[in-house]
Amino acid sequence: EPEVTQTPSHQVTQMGQEVILRCVPISNHLYFYWYRQILGQKVEFLVSFYNNEISEKSEIFDDQFSVERPDGSNFTLKIRSTKLEDSAMYFCASTGLASTDTQYFGPGTRLTVL
Amino acid sequence: AQSVTQLDSQVPVFEEAPVELRCNYSSSVSVYLFWYVQYPNQGLQLLLKYLSGSTLVKGINGFEAEFNKSQTSFHLRKPSVHISDTAEYFCAVSSPSGGYQKVTFGTGTKLQVIP
Repeated sequence: EPEVTQTPSHQVTQMGQEVILRCVPISNHLYFYWYRQILGQKVEFLVSFYNNEISEKSEIFDDQFSVERPDGSNFTLKIRSTKLEDSAMYFCASTGLASTDTQYFGPGTRLTVL
Repeated sequence: AQSVTQLDSQVPVFEEAPVELRCNYSSSVSVYLFWYVQYPNQGLQLLLKYLSGSTLVKGINGFEAEFNKSQTSFHLRKPSVHISDTAEYFCAVSSPSGGYQKVTFGTGTKLQVIP
């Protein structure tokens, strides 16, 4: 069974610091996503990425956020200057080319901003 | 735009009893429907999905769901629950365009199985 991996599993940072969350999508997938789940709330879409550019982003994904595929395997989410309200679980996901492909989610990174 | 409504935030049920978790969706285009399960402090695991075809979909761990287009519902059922089914369940929808699948989640239903 293919899987999406994410590192670290838990990141603690001080407010105002930059963080980079890392994901390794499934190797032959082409669409990549980040979602966020604030504690006790639903999972929310942040951004999608295809062909080395953002294809869609939500209103949550402001100028403090950026995504990158620095090499052929990693997909990163950077938060430039973290705020307390950025504390959440961040999930990476990926899909292949076919519309019937399952979207696979990673195990998540829990970000705690102090 | 699409949305998902899970009316029940918590559902307590005794072990070995049946359970139904309700989900209604709204979309102006055809959709794919999903149920995900999240165990405490863990990620999202796909239980089952409806893409097309038979409206009754069987998933893992004995769960099944029925797609009802006229009622825009996709309720999740299990005939006999186990303690290990205690988790949060999310209904979700996407309107795929090729391989692109932005998923919209409901607010979740916490299933508490009582021994």
